[in-house]
Amino acid sequence: LAKTTQPISMDSYEGQEVNITCSHNNIATNDYITWYQQFPSQGPRFIIQGYKTKVTNEVASLFIPADRKSSTLSLPRVSLSDTAVYYCLVGDPTGAGGSYIPTFGRGTSLIVHP
Amino acid sequence: GAVVSQHPSWVICKSGTSVKIECRSLDFQATTMFWYRQFPKQSLMLMATSNEGSKATYEQGVEKDKFLINHASLTLSTLTVTSAHPEDSSFYICSASWREGLNEQFFGPGTRLTVL
Repeated sequence: LAKTTQPISMDSYEGQEVNITCSHNNIATNDYITWYQQFPSQGPRFIIQGYKTKVTNEVASLFIPADRKSSTLSLPRVSLSDTAVYYCLVGDPTGAGGSYIPTFGRGTSLIVHP
Repeated sequence: GAVVSQHPSWVICKSGTSVKIECRSLDFQATTMFWYRQFPKQSLMLMATSNEGSKATYEQGVEKDKFLINHASLTLSTLTVTSAHPEDSSFYICSASWREGLNEQFFGPGTRLTVL
């Protein structure tokens, strides 16, 4: 299983763009990168998923360099409600490589200040 | 989007009793469900993987006789904490996914278990 490394915490201010980087040096060929957001006492919520280059949806962008050994979650113009823990997961969600066992790392605690 | 529910959302029980937590996929059929445990200010720890109609696969260090998992249908999985003790107090979260192309995991809201 590819291990992920993220900063433990980050601080930002309302209206700023926040970039959270995740390292996954031993990512496998079939692995995708998925990011989740978790508020206290709630289950994680899917944010975005990608395989290479750039993926964008209504809430975030995901940048993946050519070597795929890292990825960056970009949150545009954060607000106070974006204060949460963000998790980066790496794995093969198609199951082609066998059973998909989603494993959470420590995550990044983002605090957005007024 | 796909919705996963958990019941109850919180439960308080006495030491030595058993507690059952339900996880339901409300608008899709979940071929696989996962059970996690999360202690305060820690990450989610995978406890077991549950496939419909088969025995659950437990992670190393998780006692299968203490944490009984049943995945009787494509929309329901249950976790029973048997003979609960205060150290079992935690936040239990389930997730569900289907195996079609790129499957997302959809998480339930979690169940807060407090054992007195």
